[in-house]
Amino acid sequence: QKEVEQNSGPLSVPEGAIASLNCTYSDRGSQSFFWYRQYSGKSPELIMFIYSNGDKEDGRFTAQLNKASQYVSLLIRDSQPSDSATYLCAVNNYGQNFVFGPGTRLSVLP
Amino acid sequence: DAGVTQSPTHLIKTRGQQVTLRCSPKSGHDTVSWYQQALGQGPQFIFQYYEEEERQRGNFPDRFSGHQFPNYSSELNVNALLLGDSALYLCASSQTLTGTNEKLFFGSGTQLSVL
Repeated sequence: QKEVEQNSGPLSVPEGAIASLNCTYSDRGSQSFFWYRQYSGKSPELIMFIYSNGDKEDGRFTAQLNKASQYVSLLIRDSQPSDSATYLCAVNNYGQNFVFGPGTRLSVLP
Repeated sequence: DAGVTQSPTHLIKTRGQQVTLRCSPKSGHDTVSWYQQALGQGPQFIFQYYEEEERQRGNFPDRFSGHQFPNYSSELNVNALLLGDSALYLCASSQTLTGTNEKLFFGSGTQLSVL
């Protein structure tokens, strides 16, 4: 069974700090990796995706992928209270369905 | 450019009843996936439709069935509702591009409560 694991949190960081969210996956055939943000009572919103080993930066967000370790992370720099949400990690293999982790709840304290 | 639309937004049913949820994919997308998200959990894959056929199915009983129409819109049907079926049902659309990476975009979801 393909699994995606995340720390459920909550992860609390002060405003302006770096939030680090981690995810591991079991399927070595996974090809693409996604981070979704989900505010309470809302649907998931795609914020980052990464396909190759290394780092990918987009504004305050950086996704990091290490396929050998089957590990993907999301860094949020200069965290804001508006970043408080649940962050879902998802992995996908070509032609397969997306598998989601349970999500990590992030709380950014003013 | 319309995103993924779902209806209804909320639904209350009683045990044993049947329900139909509807989804229209994002413009340009041809694939629809349905997910169930229980409170405090990540989305769980129900099934995926492409070219009007069920392409993949997750670990859900046959009470869960679906359909995709020629315009790519889709329905999720759940028969003989159980209390445990109470959840947020998410429709996600993507474009199937052979050999490339798909991105999944979600609708706002249907909150189903079974009493």
